[in-house]
Formats: sequence, C-alpha cells, structure tokens
Amino acid sequence: VQLVESGGGLVKPGGSLRLSCAASGFTFTDYNINWVRQTPGKGLEWVSSISSSSSYIFYADSVKGRFTISRDNAKKSVFLQMNRLRADDTAFYYCARAINGDVFDVWGQGTMVTVSS
Amino acid sequence: EIVLTQSPATLSVSPGETATLSCRASQSINTNLGWYQQKPGQAPRLLFHAASARATGIPARFSGSGSGTEFTLTISSLKSEDFAMYYCQQYHNWPPYTFGQGTKLVVK
Repeated sequence: VQLVESGGGLVKPGGSLRLSCAASGFTFTDYNINWVRQTPGKGLEWVSSISSSSSYIFYADSVKGRFTISRDNAKKSVFLQMNRLRADDTAFYYCARAINGDVFDVWGQGTMVTVSS
Repeated sequence: EIVLTQSPATLSVSPGETATLSCRASQSINTNLGWYQQKPGQAPRLLFHAASARATGIPARFSGSGSGTEFTLTISSLKSEDFAMYYCQQYHNWPPYTFGQGTKLVVK
C-alpha cells in the first residue's frame, strides 16, 4: 500500500504548479484522497479532498479559487493544480487516503513546494 | 470550524515512564477523533481512529480515550522510538478537517 507524491519545486509568486499522487497496492476507487500541507516546523493543514468518484470535492478556504483537485481512477492518480501561488503556500504537501470522511490511514512521503522570488 | 487544542505543547518524560497527552475540541465531536505520530523527516502515521481504536501495527503501550470534547493519548513504558510529535485530528464535522497544533514528546 503506497502513495507517492511528485511535482513539487521552486516557483515564483503568482506562478503555478501541478502536484501528482500515485497510488498502488490497494483498491483506489474505495477511497477518498486528500491533500494536507505542513509548513516547515509547523503543524498540519488540510487542503483539499476528492471522493472516490469525484462526486464530492472540497477545499480549505485558504486555497479555494486557486487550487483544483482531480483524479484519474484508471491511472490511480490524484492531482492538485495550484495557481496564483503565494509565499504562504510554501509547505510540504502530502496526499493521504481516507475511507469516506474518516481518518487518514495512509500517507505519502510528501513533496516540497517553495514559493519565492 | 472545530478547533482542537493540544496540551502541553512540549512534554518531557523519561524513558520507561508514562506520557499523557491531551486534545480538547471546541465543540462535541463524539468519538470522531484520530491521533497521529510524526517523526522528523517522515509523514504522519495513524495511531488511532474513533478516539480509542488502535490502528494496525500500533503497540499496546499506546492507548486512546475520551469522547465529546476531551481526549487523551497515553503512552506507557516509553521507548526511545516514541519520542516524536503527536497530532490529533477531528473528522466529525468537515470540511474542513482540522488538526491540533501538536505536542512534542521529548526525553527528560
């Protein structure tokens, strides 16, 4: 059972980045997938959730209108398109699975996003 | 939004002793609470769901309790590998999921 994030990097304020989360070892369509971020040295902040069939999508207020979550069940992948990035979006981004609205029982290793000029 | 407050921010305990960590919710969340452990450079690891249901592979020296607004994570007979950050998370009323700010468990 594994989640692997990719796509992080250094981007200028106002720029865009697309994160990917690749799943393996479990029935992907049984799970919601979430993005959670963590500022270096700080706590955890939930960013976005997508249900198994993409019927339900939610965002934190801090990213609403700038970030878009999507998934491709055939490729067992979830994506986070991040636009109009700001310095306070700088964080380690994790994807994590959940059955419906439950706890996050499997996490990826994370990918770092740095927004700086 | 449900706010979770963890205390203390830092807990200093000797190996072999017992650590007691608290998480308080701003409103009742029944038992819709999870606990996570995070070590430096690693992703969070699920310890408990439903406040007291141990996740797969979590040793019995870890126990969770509470309901409503008051929750406790207890770690008995502390081992060196238990010294880490611990976070609580509510999934009673989401979005948003919310996390406590964490308790850092350090060696006394």
